[in-house]
Amino acid sequence: GAVVSQHPSRVICKSGTSVKIECRSLDFQATTMFWYRQFPKQSLMLMATSNEGSKATYEQGVEKDKFLINHASLTLSTLTVTSAHPEDSSFYICSAPLFGGDNEQFFGPGTRLTVL
Amino acid sequence: GEDVEQSLFLSVREGDSSVINCTYTDSSSTYLYWYKQEPGAGLQLLTYIFSNMDMKQDQRLTVLLNKKDKHLSLRIADTQTGDSAIYFCAESMGGYSTLTFGKGTMLLVSP
Repeated sequence: GAVVSQHPSRVICKSGTSVKIECRSLDFQATTMFWYRQFPKQSLMLMATSNEGSKATYEQGVEKDKFLINHASLTLSTLTVTSAHPEDSSFYICSAPLFGGDNEQFFGPGTRLTVL
Repeated sequence: GEDVEQSLFLSVREGDSSVINCTYTDSSSTYLYWYKQEPGAGLQLLTYIFSNMDMKQDQRLTVLLNKKDKHLSLRIADTQTGDSAIYFCAESMGGYSTLTFGKGTMLLVSP
């Protein structure tokens, strides 16, 4: 099946720094990718839809200046958490739908962000 | 708005069957999914069902859909300790639409 990778898998940073998370579709092209966030013992919440070659669409309550998304190629979307704070600590997961498939979305393994 | 509800916890013994239940509110849901998440890992698609189906079986997994009651269930036959994980129910309208997830059911399988 299709594979989506994320890098890094874990990151620990100091408050105030910025962190970039990469999401790659390894064997298929993804014009759209989704970014989710998962707090402990909670469900995944959609943050934004990343569109190749155009601006991302953010869900209500998600600060676009805080969570910068760049989808510069058909296989790569990046999420940058700017000026991270402890409340941004979470598990970030991306997904990409496979065009022509049964709407199957392939999820990355996730990135655990801890902000000290 | 859309809402997906699941029970939070289920404990079974190895070899028994597990049934995880899910209800959803969006009647326009076209696809209904079950994902598995092991500790610290991403999501693994287990199976999915189209809204025009009542049942789907895939090896040890059986999905039942009652569209009238908007109720979805996942039955795992002969549950193993390796099945211990969090199971998420999710729905979408198809195409490139996003998924709406339930909060997940933690399945604990004891020897």
